[in-house]
Amino acid sequence: DTEVTQTPKHLVMGMTNKKSLKCEQHMGHRAMYWYKQKAKKPPELMFVYSYEKLSINESVPSRFSPECPNSSLLNLHLHALQPEDSALYLCASSQDLGQGWEKLFFGSGTQLSVL
Amino acid sequence: GENVEQHPSTLSVQEGDSAVIKCTYSDSASNYFPWYKQELGKGPQLIIDIRSNVGEKKDQRIAVTLNKTAKHFSLHITETQPEDSAVYFCAASKTGAQKLVFGQGTRLTINP
Repeated sequence: DTEVTQTPKHLVMGMTNKKSLKCEQHMGHRAMYWYKQKAKKPPELMFVYSYEKLSINESVPSRFSPECPNSSLLNLHLHALQPEDSALYLCASSQDLGQGWEKLFFGSGTQLSVL
Repeated sequence: GENVEQHPSTLSVQEGDSAVIKCTYSDSASNYFPWYKQELGKGPQLIIDIRSNVGEKKDQRIAVTLNKTAKHFSLHITETQPEDSAVYFCAASKTGAQKLVFGQGTRLTINP
């Protein structure tokens, strides 16, 4: 199994809503990532988890709250988002943050629209 | 920090012809250079990568070349097919950085 599965595929939410994005991988990878991608732009790193601990936070606003319940799951909790947060949110995984970390496996993303 | 520039932003070629996408990087310490392909509605997929101790790497119809002196690397696709149509991103990283720096992307269109 070489897949990273993200749910939901599409999400529309209001600025006062609370929602969560979910990501799952069963490749035994110990590093997991959240990226944000705007249309016609490259992915931008948001968070990195290594062995279920937050390793990198790229100065992301607190309305985005990541969580890594176990080595296979990664969540992104959303609260009080702004319309400019509308984007494709990509989850990725890699072997770990030592050897082989650079080979990222991406999910298909959640297309988020904030109204 | 590292900066990666990618050209062209769009590229249209006839089916069967070759396509070349070029990237330059700024940090001479960068030592890993992957290429990702992103099809519509999907996440990026790693298609080929190269490390700084190698000048060229091939995998069937795709190849990557690296010129460390000039700090640029290129993706070459030969005998292009319609399924090669996608957005391609180059990236660079260095040991210990734990993050990839992406280029701005190239939208490749293969015309039948």
